[in-house]
Amino acid sequence: EVQLVESGGGLVQPGRSLKLSCAASGFTFSNYYMAWVRQAPKKGLEWVATISTSGSRTYYPDSVKGRFTISRDNAKSSLYLQMNSLKSEDTATYYCARRTGSYVMDAWGQGASVTVSS
Amino acid sequence: DTVLTQSPALAVSPGERVSISCRASEGVNSYMHWYQQKPGQQPKLLIYKASNLASGVPARFSGSGSGTDFTLTIDPVEADDTATYFCQQSWNENTFGAGTKLELK
Repeated sequence: EVQLVESGGGLVQPGRSLKLSCAASGFTFSNYYMAWVRQAPKKGLEWVATISTSGSRTYYPDSVKGRFTISRDNAKSSLYLQMNSLKSEDTATYYCARRTGSYVMDAWGQGASVTVSS
Repeated sequence: DTVLTQSPALAVSPGERVSISCRASEGVNSYMHWYQQKPGQQPKLLIYKASNLASGVPARFSGSGSGTDFTLTIDPVEADDTATYFCQQSWNENTFGAGTKLELK
């Protein structure tokens, strides 16, 4: 069974940093692109980052480019999201997702809640 | 950015057929996907690349469309289908629709 378990969420002040982790199991992690998607309270979904199988290529929307960094450790089957210079608008539940060759996210974690507030 | 437009809400009776639409601001080829999200849960993939049923998803769900206009159909609707349905395109980076909340009468 594919499992994705996020951790590292919490309350953080504006301008500070936070790092999320996602532990993957039930599949060969190194064979898949991985992504982060967030959802602000009572809002829709927003793609945040994607990383290639080796980690050599990363992709971000303009809203987080330069502030967020996605990375992975294939030996540990783990995905990470380093979030710097956090803003109140970054408050959301952050989901880790597996991306298939059809460019679709076919498995999602249960999410990690991040609140940016003073 | 490719903007995806969905109707905000629909209400149907169990046993009926419902179609949920998603219109893209530009062509996305067939790279349109559909997810179901229930309150407090993560999104669940239903349909990928416009018309392909994801593993384990009941055949009551189907998808159609190409280019800019896409449809998710549920036939027949069951009580458990109460949820918000999101479309997502992955032809031009990734964007999601705002979601269609499906309620049962």
